[in-house]
Amino acid sequence: QQQVKQSPQSLIVQKGGISIINCAYENTAFDYFPWYQQFPGKGPALLIAIRPDVSEKKEGRFTISFNKSAKQFSLHIMDSQPGDSATYFCAALDNAGNMLTFGGGTRLMVKP
Amino acid sequence: ETGVTQSPTHLIKTRGQQVTLRCSSQSGHNTVSWYQQALGQGPQFIFQYYREEENGRGNFPPRFSGLQFPNYSSELNVNALELDDSALYLCASRPGLAPHEQFFGPGTRLTVL
Repeated sequence: QQQVKQSPQSLIVQKGGISIINCAYENTAFDYFPWYQQFPGKGPALLIAIRPDVSEKKEGRFTISFNKSAKQFSLHIMDSQPGDSATYFCAALDNAGNMLTFGGGTRLMVKP
Repeated sequence: ETGVTQSPTHLIKTRGQQVTLRCSSQSGHNTVSWYQQALGQGPQFIFQYYREEENGRGNFPPRFSGLQFPNYSSELNVNALELDDSALYLCASRPGLAPHEQFFGPGTRLTVL
């Protein structure tokens, strides 16, 4: 059962453009929503995270937008760079802190 | 301060065999989680250990088992290996159970033939 749905599966963006990845969840017990970046052969690394009491969080070129009523959240990467080319995963942690549920991933390619 | 380390890096087994994967958590982290990541998919939660006890489990059969040691390092054991067990196995650690950054290791690539 996929409780976190992520789209698109792949994304091609020109250098300097905006990359947007969307996620939707079903379980209202989720209360922590991180985004991870994964390069080939590496484990996922935390990029940015948000809690549901905040509608937006920005760190550098990365912004999470969160819509609690719609149970959706998205990652925006401003001024996308070729070095941003990686697979991105949204995730959600339940309020018991037991289980991190990941989306299916988005493979981002930023063309120079 | 060292990060999360996993061993071995790669492993090849045959169907029906047993395997043990190891994880050393980051210093000060008493919570360790294990994930299975099939090729092209997101990581799937297997189970979590907090202070040497399992306190959460995903939808994996009992042949997936684990241990956490007093130094908070951990093992993942898989019995009766099946072809579908071929995947990248990731270990992640964090301090406590509260929502906090989970630090992932590089993973162990398991191939079952």
